[in-house]
Amino acid sequence: AQSVTQLGSHVSVSEGALVLLRCNYSSSVPPYLFWYVQYPNQGLQLLLKYTSAATLVKGINGFEAEFKKSETSFHLTKPSAHMSDAAEYFCAVREGYGGATNKLIFGTGTLLAVQP
Amino acid sequence: GAVVSQHPSRVICKSGTSVKIECRSLDFQATTMFWYRQFPKQSLMLMATSNEGSKATYEQGVEKDKFLINHASLTLSTLTVTSAHPEDSSFYICSARVGGFSFDEQFFGPGTRLTVL
Repeated sequence: AQSVTQLGSHVSVSEGALVLLRCNYSSSVPPYLFWYVQYPNQGLQLLLKYTSAATLVKGINGFEAEFKKSETSFHLTKPSAHMSDAAEYFCAVREGYGGATNKLIFGTGTLLAVQP
Repeated sequence: GAVVSQHPSRVICKSGTSVKIECRSLDFQATTMFWYRQFPKQSLMLMATSNEGSKATYEQGVEKDKFLINHASLTLSTLTVTSAHPEDSSFYICSARVGGFSFDEQFFGPGTRLTVL
């Protein structure tokens, strides 16, 4: 079965500092991996996704993530945090193209706080 | 980009009543829609997969008679919470799948906050 683990339910950074949100996955087949952002009382917005092409994926709002198969990781980073980045971030996995299911499995989320 | 809407955005109802939530894909056709629920400060849990013209597939532990799903058209799926109770209070989010030869992505609605008194 597939799963994702997000280390750290709460992360706090200063404005302008590096943002690092951790995600490790478990999958018996080549995975597709996603990062979503959720603002309060809103749905999810896709930040970026890995679909077996380039291992370094660039997304919206200056975020990027690197797929590391040897570490089964897909950590999300941003060089300089902005106040508007404060939100909840979810990592998700599903079976890659051709897999038997297209269901997304979500991690427990990381709440990012940005201090002025 | 693909837009998914949900209606209503918030609903408050009395215990024992039924509530219908609509999920629409506004600018594309979705053969598959997904329904999730999210408790406060928790992750999204998939409730069911809804395929146009066929019965929904429910995840383990989700009561299909309580959470009725209808996907009558390629742009509309509905979730009806029947005989709602306070423990059904949650944030319900739908997504619509767009798939092709080399592309498969879900687009999420803004969610519906259900409060059962």
